[in-house]
Amino acid sequence: AQSVSQHNHHVILSEAASLELGCNYSYGGTVNLFWYVQYPGQHLQLLLKYFSGDPLVKGIKGFEAEFIKSKFSFNLRKPSVQWSDTAEYFCAVRGSTLGRLYFGRGTQLTVWP
Amino acid sequence: KAGVTQTPRYLIKTRGQQVTLSCSPISGHRSVSWYQQTPGQGLQFLFEYFSETQRNKGNFPGRFSGRQFSNSRSEMNVSTLELGDSALYLCASSLEQLTDTQYFGPGTRLTVL
Repeated sequence: AQSVSQHNHHVILSEAASLELGCNYSYGGTVNLFWYVQYPGQHLQLLLKYFSGDPLVKGIKGFEAEFIKSKFSFNLRKPSVQWSDTAEYFCAVRGSTLGRLYFGRGTQLTVWP
Repeated sequence: KAGVTQTPRYLIKTRGQQVTLSCSPISGHRSVSWYQQTPGQGLQFLFEYFSETQRNKGNFPGRFSGRQFSNSRSEMNVSTLELGDSALYLCASSLEQLTDTQYFGPGTRLTVL
């Protein structure tokens, strides 16, 4: 079975600090990778996704993620966070021939103004 | 285009009762997946329906069931409710392929007393 690990349960940063959230997965085959974000009181929204091609993918609101196949990782980055980035971030993985998503436990990001 | 809608948004039930949750996918989307989100277990896949047929199923007991109608709307039913069924139930829709991106609704918050 697939599994997803998000290393940081809670990250606290000041505005303008750089962000990197770790995500590792276990699955031997071809994968589709996702980052979803859940802002306070809102539903899960797609931040970015990787299916194939350039391993560096750019998403909304200045976020990007890099797929490193040899490390089974898909880390999320943002060069300068804002207070409005305060949210919970979920990494998700799907085997490319399967429909279901496997989610990590989530990382709560708090950004202080 | 309207997003995924779920009704009701909040439900309070007592142990032993049953409950039905409803999900309307994004227009044109034919696949509907259901997930359970709890603080202890995170986001876990329940099942996925496509073209009125269950295409994928997670590891939940038979008390959890679902169906999909010809207009792609979906319902999930939980019978003989237990305290541990208290959770946020999320519905996600996607176009039709197993590889299509899933878009989430706001969820139904179920509390079992």
